[in-house]
Amino acid sequence: AQSVSQHNHHVILSEAASLELGCNYSYGGTVNLFWYVQYPGQHLQLLLKYFSGDPLVKGIKGFEAEFIKSKFSFNLRKPSVQWSDTAEYFCAVRREYGNKLVFGAGTILRVKS
Amino acid sequence: ETGVTQTPRHLVMGMTNKKSLKCEQHLGHNAMYWYKQSAKKPLELMFVYSLEERVENNSVPSRFSPECPNSSHLFLHLHTLQPEDSALYLCASSLSQFMYEQFFGPGTRLTVL
Repeated sequence: AQSVSQHNHHVILSEAASLELGCNYSYGGTVNLFWYVQYPGQHLQLLLKYFSGDPLVKGIKGFEAEFIKSKFSFNLRKPSVQWSDTAEYFCAVRREYGNKLVFGAGTILRVKS
Repeated sequence: ETGVTQTPRHLVMGMTNKKSLKCEQHLGHNAMYWYKQSAKKPLELMFVYSLEERVENNSVPSRFSPECPNSSHLFLHLHTLQPEDSALYLCASSLSQFMYEQFFGPGTRLTVL
């Protein structure tokens, strides 16, 4: 069965620090990849997605993620975080043409102002 | 109203009660999903509906009974639940069950006493 690993459960950064959240998945075939964010008191929102093409994808709010097929990874990055980026971040993977989205356990990011 | 809405937002029920969760999407999507989000566990897919037909049941106990009367509405009927069923239940929708991102509702926080 597919699984998704997010390496850090809690991350604390100061404003303007750079962010990288790790995500690895176990499925060997072609996949669709997603990062979702859940701000405090709000519902899950899509940050960015990768289906095919350029493995470096840009999302909303200055986030980007890089798909490295050989490493089964889809790490999320942001060069300079803001206090408003405090949230929980979820990586999710789906087999190409599949209908099951498999989520990682989430990473809680706290940005100190 | 836009997006995916869920009612009620909070629900407390006893183990012998019968209750229902409601989800409505205003996006013109054809696929709808139920997920369970428990503390410190990844989001778990429960059911997938496509064009009002159930296409996935992810080994969910029969005390959870979904219903999709049309492509805009999805229900989760609950009966004789256990305290370990307490969780956040999330509804999502997508344009189709394949190839598109999912949009999530705010969830129903369920407590089973």
